[in-house]
Amino acid sequence: EIVLTQSPATLSLSPGERATLSCRASQSLSSYLAWYQQKPGQAPRLLIYGASNRAPGIPARFTGSGSETDFTLTISSLEAEDFVVYYCQQRSSWPITFGQGTRLEIQ
Amino acid sequence: QVQLVQSGGGLVQPGTSLRLSCAASGFTFNGYPIHWVRQAPGKGLEWLSYISFDGSNKYYADSVKGRFTVSRDMSSNTQFLQMNSLRAEDTAVYFCARRDADLGYMDVWGKGTTVIVSS
Repeated sequence: EIVLTQSPATLSLSPGERATLSCRASQSLSSYLAWYQQKPGQAPRLLIYGASNRAPGIPARFTGSGSETDFTLTISSLEAEDFVVYYCQQRSSWPITFGQGTRLEIQ
Repeated sequence: QVQLVQSGGGLVQPGTSLRLSCAASGFTFNGYPIHWVRQAPGKGLEWLSYISFDGSNKYYADSVKGRFTVSRDMSSNTQFLQMNSLRAEDTAVYFCARRDADLGYMDVWGKGTTVIVSS
């Protein structure tokens, strides 16, 4: 099973700042990685697929990068609604796995 | 409007069974694989199972293999997650999610249904 380790667990920033979230895989994923955003009480929403492709309707301030074992989600200028939880997910091999999540909180 | 409508959650006793439903609205399940994902209270996301668009391929997480079964009914445009031998640790919000054929990832999610396993 591929283990995804997200860091940091919690990131404290202010609106307007840049956020950098990391996801590290225990083995190579090529580019088979996605990022999801989850707001309280809601289902996750797909942000980034294939490591670097923005899903339809996702604002340009969200950028995904990386390959193999190291991936990054960057939010260029944080807005109030961005302070929620983010998960990475791999589909390189079964079973599909998620990272444990990064909580973005207002400093 | 494309959406997944979930139902079937509830409070059940350990050792019993429950069947969750996930109905497609605004699209047909033909051509779309479906995943089931759960989230225990205050915890992260845990992938549970996958069923291919035609039902010919199914995969399960080790935590539910042998206890949970996925199926689909094309005539009613509905997917099911049959959960047997439920345990306290199965308490969670359960989501179904569509795997988009082009994107390859879970692009449409149900709102989730809550399952509580307790005596």
